[in-house]
Amino acid sequence: DAGITQSPRHKVTETGTPVTLRCHQTENHRYMYWYRQDPGHGLRLIHYSYGVKDTDKGEVSDGYSVSRSKTEDFLLTLESATSSQTSVYFCAISDTSTDTQYFGPGTRLTVL
Amino acid sequence: GESVGLHLPTLSVQEGDNSIINCAYSNSASDYFIWYKQESGKGPQFIIDIRSNMDKRQGQRVTVLLNKTVKHLSLQIAATQPGDSAVYFCAENTNSGYSTLTFGKGTMLLVSP
Repeated sequence: DAGITQSPRHKVTETGTPVTLRCHQTENHRYMYWYRQDPGHGLRLIHYSYGVKDTDKGEVSDGYSVSRSKTEDFLLTLESATSSQTSVYFCAISDTSTDTQYFGPGTRLTVL
Repeated sequence: GESVGLHLPTLSVQEGDNSIINCAYSNSASDYFIWYKQESGKGPQFIIDIRSNMDKRQGQRVTVLLNKTVKHLSLQIAATQPGDSAVYFCAENTNSGYSTLTFGKGTMLLVSP
C-alpha cells in the first residue's frame, strides 16, 4: 500500500458522536486525499491537502473537516456523525497534483 | 456492509482467456489516465497509466489503449488468472487546478478456473 496506513481499520459509532480517522504516510508525498466509496457512486473526493496546513474541499465535503499539521499525517473528522456517513473511507497520496495516486487500505465506518 | 462490487457491470471469463475492460471518460482536456484494481476489502491498487500523447502502453500481462477521438480507454489482460478477479476502474486527470482524478464506477471481473 505504498507506505500508507489508516487507523482505525474498522469503527462502529453512534449518530451524533465525533469521529476522527487518521492517514499516515512514509513517502514524504506533498498531496494527500480523503475519499469515500459507496455502492453505485465509486470514489468521491471529500477533502485534499497540497501541503502542511494547506487543504481544500472536494466534491462531498459537507459534514467533514480535515487537518494536516505534519507532512506525514492527514486527519479526517466527522464532527457529528450521521448514518449517511456510513461508508468506506480511503486515503490516497501523490507526489504532485498530476501524478498517480496511491491508496491506503481503507477504514470501514458504520454509524448507527 | 454492502459490497462495493454490487450494481457494477460484470465481465465473466475463463482462466486463460484474454479480458478487455472498457471505460468511457468524460473530459476531452484530460491528459493522464490510470487503471486501478480493487480486490474485496482492499484499497485500489495502481495497475498501469498512460498519458494523452500515447495510444498504447504495455505492462506485464496488461495493455492500455487510449482512443482520444471517442474518449475511450481500455484495459486488456492477457491469460487471465483467478487472481485477476476484482473490480477494475479507470481514472482521468482533468487537469483543472488541484482537482485531480475523476474515477469511473468500475467493472467487476470474474475469472473461473
